[in-house]
Amino acid sequence: AQSVTQLDSQVPVFEEAPVELRCNYSSSVSVYLFWYVQYPNQGLQLLLKYLSGSTLVKGINGFEAEFNKSQTSFHLRKPSVHISDTAEYFCAVSDSRAGNMLTFGGGTRLMVKP
Amino acid sequence: ETGVTQSPTHLIKTRGQQVTLRCSSQSGHNTVSWYQQALGQGPQFIFQYYREEENGRGNFPPRFSGLQFPNYSSELNVNALELDDSALYLCASSWDRGFVDTQYFGPGTRLTVL
Repeated sequence: AQSVTQLDSQVPVFEEAPVELRCNYSSSVSVYLFWYVQYPNQGLQLLLKYLSGSTLVKGINGFEAEFNKSQTSFHLRKPSVHISDTAEYFCAVSDSRAGNMLTFGGGTRLMVKP
Repeated sequence: ETGVTQSPTHLIKTRGQQVTLRCSSQSGHNTVSWYQQALGQGPQFIFQYYREEENGRGNFPPRFSGLQFPNYSSELNVNALELDDSALYLCASSWDRGFVDTQYFGPGTRLTVL
């Protein structure tokens, strides 16, 4: 069975500062990893995904994530955040058996302060 | 090209009642997945439909059931509503059911059970 742990429920950060949102997963098989963002009163939007190849994945809105198999992590980073990045961020995992049926973490609320 | 739409936006029911939520998938998508997102938590996978057949199911009781129609739109039915069923219900559609197939989420239906 798969599981995802997002270690921080809330991350406050000042505008233009860097941010890292942490995600750890557990799975018995090869995994595929995703980060989604949810703005207030909206559905989820895909930020980026790791399927194979380079462990550094670049996504939309200046976000990137690094897949670390030995540490079973897929942390999300942005070098300089904007007020508009304030949202809920979800890490998710799948594998070849599950296809695109996703297991999500509990979410991290990013709060960007002026 | 329209995105994923869901109806209704909000719904209030009482315990023991039955509810039907609807989802129109993005044009050309043959796979629909449903997720339940309780307040302050990450989405939990309910089930997935692929070409009108149930393709996978999460850890939800049989009173959660679904349908996918020939035009690939979908319904989620919940019988004998319980207070814990109060949540945001998200529908996601994709071109196919593989791990490479990105899911596109609708805005959700907010269900409140009193």
